[in-house]
Amino acid sequence: KQEVTQIPAALSVPEGENLVLNCSFTDSAIYNLQWFRQDPGKGLTSLLLIQSSQREQTSGRLNASLDKSSGRSTLYIAASQPGDSATYLCAVRPSTGTASKLTFGTGTRLQVTL
Amino acid sequence: DAGITQSPRHKVTETGTPVTLRCHQTENHRYMYWYRQDPGHGLRLIHYSYGVKDTDKGEVSDGYSVSRSKTEDFLLTLESATSSQTSVYFCAIRDSTQDEAFFGQGTRLTVV
Repeated sequence: KQEVTQIPAALSVPEGENLVLNCSFTDSAIYNLQWFRQDPGKGLTSLLLIQSSQREQTSGRLNASLDKSSGRSTLYIAASQPGDSATYLCAVRPSTGTASKLTFGTGTRLQVTL
Repeated sequence: DAGITQSPRHKVTETGTPVTLRCHQTENHRYMYWYRQDPGHGLRLIHYSYGVKDTDKGEVSDGYSVSRSKTEDFLLTLESATSSQTSVYFCAIRDSTQDEAFFGQGTRLTVV
């Protein structure tokens, strides 16, 4: 059974810092990995999707990397801003099975302080 | 938001009553999912659908049923609500062009 772990569970950084969020998964047979952002009381917003054949994806100040063989992904946030404060979730999709059900980590709660 | 609407957004109901949550999508996606989100457990899959009248169970399906009579609507029913079903419920779709998931805004359900 796939297990997804995100460390740390919470992180507080001053504005302007670059930071890395970690996601690890136990079964390397994945089709893709997706990073989401969730603001308090809101739904999940898709940030980046990395296919299993890719090493990284970039969107603005965000860069996500994937090392499938070691079961790891990182989300790099450059020049953090208070508006980046949210919970960040990663989820993996298996490479087998037509339903392609996502398995989620429990998230990293990020606070960016002034 | 990939055209996903959940209703109601908030609901308080009494133990033992049936409750139906609705997920509506406007983009004709084949796959739809219901998750619940609880502190310490993250998001867990309740049921999913891979087409009209085609549904299957997820990891936490006990006490829940679903129906999909039209492509655009996926209904989640709590047959007899219990306090353990107090949670935030999210609907999701799978965009098959890249196998990317998109989520609705959620329904906060409280069972008293």
